[in-house]
Amino acid sequence: ILNVEQSPQSLHVQEGDSTNFTCSFPSSNFYALHWYRWETAKSPEALFVMTLNGDEKKKGRISATLNTKEGYSYLYIKGSQPEDSATYLCAFHRDDKIIFGKGTRLHILP
Amino acid sequence: EAGVTQSPTHLIKTRGQQATLRCSPISGHTSVYWYQQALGLGLQFLLWYDEGEERNRGNFPPRFSGRQFPNYSSELNVNALELEDSALYLCASSLLASGRDFSYNEQFFGPGTRLTVL
Repeated sequence: ILNVEQSPQSLHVQEGDSTNFTCSFPSSNFYALHWYRWETAKSPEALFVMTLNGDEKKKGRISATLNTKEGYSYLYIKGSQPEDSATYLCAFHRDDKIIFGKGTRLHILP
Repeated sequence: EAGVTQSPTHLIKTRGQQATLRCSPISGHTSVYWYQQALGLGLQFLLWYDEGEERNRGNFPPRFSGRQFPNYSSELNVNALELEDSALYLCASSLLASGRDFSYNEQFFGPGTRLTVL
């Protein structure tokens, strides 16, 4: 059974602080890992598509790293802002399967 | 540029009925994906259509089916509705990279259809 775990489930961060969370996935037959941001009442928004071991991607204050050998990806947010409040989802692609984690719910405290 | 659109926004059906959900992709995108998010569960991959053909499907029974039209819009049909089919159904679209493997493509999501089965 393929399992994609995201931790923590929920996170409260003070505005201005930096934070990170994890997506763990099976390390065999890796194709790609996608990160999404999903704000309440909106559609999921693609953040990164990561395909190579050691990939590091950045979009503004958000960045992500990928380790396919050990099966994890980190998402980092620098200097959290209220608009970062959302659920962050990872999706693991292998063969013809897409498996989503249940997400990390990020709350930014003013 | 218009994003992915879905209709209807909400749909209420009774058990045993059929539901039809619609999706229009971003102009120029040939691939359409369907996902289900049932209460308490993560997003689950349902179906992938590209160039009018079903390319892949997730672990769902055959009563979940669909099609893609020549203009690349898509329909998801759910037959013989069951209570547990109540969920948010999301559609996404993408360009298709060479090699026809969807894993490497950024997907753009629509706002979803909330299906309630009574």
